[in-house]
Amino acid sequence: AQSVTQLGSHVSVSEGALVLLRCNYSSSVPPYLFWYVQYPNQGLQLLLKYTSAATLVKGINDFEAEFKKSETSFHLTKPSAHMSDAAEYFCAVSGSGGYNKLIFGAGTRLAVHP
Amino acid sequence: GAGVSQSPRYKVAKRGQDVALRCDPISGHVSLFWYQQALGQGPEFLTYFQNEAQLDKSGLPSDRFFAERPEGSVSTLKIQRTQKEDSAVYLCASRPDSYEKLFFGSGTQLSVL
Repeated sequence: AQSVTQLGSHVSVSEGALVLLRCNYSSSVPPYLFWYVQYPNQGLQLLLKYTSAATLVKGINDFEAEFKKSETSFHLTKPSAHMSDAAEYFCAVSGSGGYNKLIFGAGTRLAVHP
Repeated sequence: GAGVSQSPRYKVAKRGQDVALRCDPISGHVSLFWYQQALGQGPEFLTYFQNEAQLDKSGLPSDRFFAERPEGSVSTLKIQRTQKEDSAVYLCASRPDSYEKLFFGSGTQLSVL
């Protein structure tokens, strides 16, 4: 079975500071991993995905994530937070159906203060 | 429209009432998914369609939940005899084929009183 754990349900950073959102996964097969962002009253949007190519994945809005097999982690980072980054972020792993079923973590709400 | 459209945006139901939630995927998208998102939780998979075929319904929590996509486009998620524990946001997502990203709708927030 596959699962995702997001450490920290709430993260608060200052504008301009580094953003680090943590994700650990469990998978018996090589995983596909994803980060999605959800703004209030909007659908989830894909930030980036890892599909066994480069371990450092770059996404939209200067977000990136690094796949570390030894640590079973896929943490999301951004060098400098903007106020507009305030949202809920979900890490997900593909289930046994490959791309057909995503298993999501519980989410991390990011707050950015001036 | 340009995105996945879900209706209604909000639905309040009395316990025991039947509800129907609609999803209009992006035109031409082959695959369609339903997810359930409880308050404070991540989305949980309910069911998956490829065109009109329901290929995976392993996430449907009980036989009160039923989904259909008769013409391979619009999909309806039906919940019979709603219970309080059915209160959640129901998300629909679509994609062109198997290896493209999912496009999510804004969801239907269901509250069962």
